Amino acid sequence: NAGVMQNPRHLVRRRGQEARLRCSPMKGHSHVYWYRQLPEEGLKFMVYLQKENIIDESGMPKERFSAEFPKEGPSILRIQQVVRGDSAAYFCASSPVSVTGELFFGEGSRLTVL
Amino acid sequence: KQEVTQIPAALSVPEGENLVLNCSFTDSAIYNLQWFRQDPGKGLTSLLLIQSSQREQTSGRLNASLDKSSGRSTLYIAASQPGDSATYLCAVNTGTASKLTFGTGTRLQVTL
Repeated sequence: NAGVMQNPRHLVRRRGQEARLRCSPMKGHSHVYWYRQLPEEGLKFMVYLQKENIIDESGMPKERFSAEFPKEGPSILRIQQVVRGDSAAYFCASSPVSVTGELFFGEGSRLTVL
Repeated sequence: KQEVTQIPAALSVPEGENLVLNCSFTDSAIYNLQWFRQDPGKGLTSLLLIQSSQREQTSGRLNASLDKSSGRSTLYIAASQPGDSATYLCAVNTGTASKLTFGTGTRLQVTL
């Protein structure tokens, strides 16, 4: 899973600030997924993107959260006006194909909101 | 709504033992099931992927089985080693854009 690159690995923000998490998928993968792992909870699906398109964002909070996967560059998960409840590990995964593809995960970005 | 349960939540075994981790899911209409390993503070490492048409997959000392009709999968680890200590996660893909539903994991500790 070393091929999926996430940065930053650790991010500290104060309440009300913005957090931007980046994910570069494995080479040749055009499908990107974001998952969130809250403390002592399992991973939960947030959003699925292909290049320039959001395919499924059913797991993403309706407010303050947004994601993009531009034609050039990494996928970005953006959290505006962070609150303490946003503190979690955010994992990105990529796949070469959708639906039946094996997912490969990055090391995660750990967000702490003070 | 798919729900995934893993039992036990934690397990401690002495080195060398064979062990079985269990995963059950409520909706048998799945595309595949994937087992992952997660070390503390780290990401997920894919261990085995079983497509819905398969019964089992093997990789080294690991063997995963799938009984889709009963909604169960098991991960068998042979001759456990201290390096196997980690949290093992089971995830089910119901085919909706590879939206995996994860269990909460089994925390394994292999002692010397």
